Amino acid sequence: ETGVTQTPRHLVMGMTNKKSLKCEQHLGHNAMYWYKQSAKKPLELMFVYNFKEQTENNSVPSRFSPECPNSSHLFLHLHTLQPEDSALYLCASSQGGGENYEQYFGPGTRLTVT
Amino acid sequence: AQSVTQPDIHITVSEGASLELRCNYSYGATPYLFWYVQSPGQGLQLLLKYFSGDTLVQGIKGFEAEFKRSQSSFNLRKPSVHWSDAAEYFCAVGDSSSASKIIFGSGTRLSIRP
Repeated sequence: ETGVTQTPRHLVMGMTNKKSLKCEQHLGHNAMYWYKQSAKKPLELMFVYNFKEQTENNSVPSRFSPECPNSSHLFLHLHTLQPEDSALYLCASSQGGGENYEQYFGPGTRLTVT
Repeated sequence: AQSVTQPDIHITVSEGASLELRCNYSYGATPYLFWYVQSPGQGLQLLLKYFSGDTLVQGIKGFEAEFKRSQSSFNLRKPSVHWSDAAEYFCAVGDSSSASKIIFGSGTRLSIRP
């Protein structure tokens, strides 16, 4: 248990559906992240939030929409996804820069787009 | 730009044997370096980190890593592996231009032979 929880753990959705992934961290961290992990590909950073402000968007398609209402919660809203979006979506948090630099990961949401 | 290379995609070792997983990085200054482990269906767990100081770093689960600036390497070692060590291992380097960003290698899958 790393202090980062993600729901749901598994999600199957059609290409026309709208769904949301939720992440919550109980570590008092200031930064939160969304990553995409596909088979046989490196971990892809999608979004970074620092103190609720988005500081990084790695050219992610607009069908993925993040939301960070506070430093403890992070959402990823999904709509009109494609089959190639099927992957494990990981949320992480960190204190920020300096010595408290490492990221703590949630267990991920396994997304299947049909 | 920083980069991380894990040259071994898949390694198999016998239980009780020693282990070394290779990691090479490309970075202009002193890097922040990490090793993470991912068990099937789980998120990433931090094994150890190097920021400065002693170049031999001890981590959890009996792992250690050595930072060698001259070789741009940060190899992970364990003197005697256990069947429970079977997992995917990721080396990562911190991006000093962004206090929140970590760049991950493509991972090495470790299998344990009984």
